[in-house]
Amino acid sequence: KAGVTQTPRYLIKTRGQQVTLSCSPISGHRSVSWYQQTPGQGLQFLFEYFSETQRNKGNFPGRFSGRQFSNSRSEMNVSTLELGDSALYLCASSLPREDGDTQYFGPGTRLTVL
Amino acid sequence: GQQVMQIPQYQHVQEGEDFTTYCNSSTTLSNIQWYKQRPGGHPVFLIQLVKSGEVKKQKRLTFQFGEAKKNSSLHITATQTTDVGTYFCAGPGGNTPLVFGKGTRLSVIA
Repeated sequence: KAGVTQTPRYLIKTRGQQVTLSCSPISGHRSVSWYQQTPGQGLQFLFEYFSETQRNKGNFPGRFSGRQFSNSRSEMNVSTLELGDSALYLCASSLPREDGDTQYFGPGTRLTVL
Repeated sequence: GQQVMQIPQYQHVQEGEDFTTYCNSSTTLSNIQWYKQRPGGHPVFLIQLVKSGEVKKQKRLTFQFGEAKKNSSLHITATQTTDVGTYFCAGPGGNTPLVFGKGTRLSVIA
């Protein structure tokens, strides 16, 4: 099976702009989660989608949003970018939710905000 | 909320030395998972432990789940340069799929 794919892999934006990141989960996986990874904060959970519905949301401002399509592909959007949004954004997919589902991560999108 | 803590944050070892990272949860866990992230890469699932006191081995890696299911450890015997990376533990988060520790970054000096 193909793994989780994310596009684009690298992105450079300036403050105030918005960005959309895309994630295609492993075939058959219906849950998609997004994480922000920075050197100081580690892996921080952004949100999780299952069957096109947001199931959980982390402690991030409303500038961060996401959605999931009927084919389980997911997008996340960050509006009004700030310097502190520079990070590696990781998407992870898993099978229908169980307690502590194994997360299969994509290669990530490296976002740099100038 | 639930917290998962890992120590040490960094570890530098000579090739051939052993390495251990420890993981502690603020709550009892139904299971614990370990992931490895190579430099420039993404986290990759290593193993899941479910039972109290469980010990699992993968070649030179030994994973242990505490009796109280609140702590875990990963021990690497005779480290190699291929072991370089950051090792994360993670447990079910209730309101999140998993809560990750901040990881232990392992450097191996050849």
